[in-house]
Amino acid sequence: EVQLVESGGGLVQPGGSLRLSCAASGFTFSDHYMDWVRQAPGKGLEWVGRIRGAAISHTTEYAASVKGRFTISRDDSKNSLYLQMNSLKSEDTAVYYCVRVVSRYFDYWAQGALVTVSS
Amino acid sequence: DIQMTQSPTSVSASVGDRVTISCRASQSIDKYLAWYQQKPGKAPNLLIYASGTLQSGVSSRFSGSGSGTDFTLTITSLQPEDFATYYCQQADSFPLTFGGGTKVAIK
Repeated sequence: EVQLVESGGGLVQPGGSLRLSCAASGFTFSDHYMDWVRQAPGKGLEWVGRIRGAAISHTTEYAASVKGRFTISRDDSKNSLYLQMNSLKSEDTAVYYCVRVVSRYFDYWAQGALVTVSS
Repeated sequence: DIQMTQSPTSVSASVGDRVTISCRASQSIDKYLAWYQQKPGKAPNLLIYASGTLQSGVSSRFSGSGSGTDFTLTITSLQPEDFATYYCQQADSFPLTFGGGTKVAIK
């Protein structure tokens, strides 16, 4: 059974940093691209970024709203995905989802981790 | 960036009704479109990908169609568990973008 379990959410002050982790199981993690998608309270879905597999040198893509502040990484030996968030702003407050990519589409989603940026 | 516009933003329907949701892309995305269902407090769930392919395990009440810029999600014979918010998403080019969502509510 495919499982994606996130950890690391919480309250952080503006300008601060936070790292989300996503532990994957039930599939060959290294074979898959992985993305992060977020959802501000009461709002729609926003794509955050992607990390590709080792065959493509773990290259990344980012939304303009987070580029230069957020970094996506992965450790295939630990079946884990990470989202390092720096210089956080109030508008980054959202539930963050780790998602598996299959043939361009998001077929499995984690439960979501709430990140609140507030003083 | 490719803008995705869904309509309507909300619809009230009864059990057994047929519901149609539209999604328009600001430029051609071929058939690289997905539909997701989200219930309150839950993660989204993939329903349809590549415009018209039903994800494994999803009810055949759901169907999708379209190509280029205009797409449609149809729910035939609406069931109580179908009341939710639906999002389209283009997978053609970065940045990946979602429609604003359509809430299907009980009439």
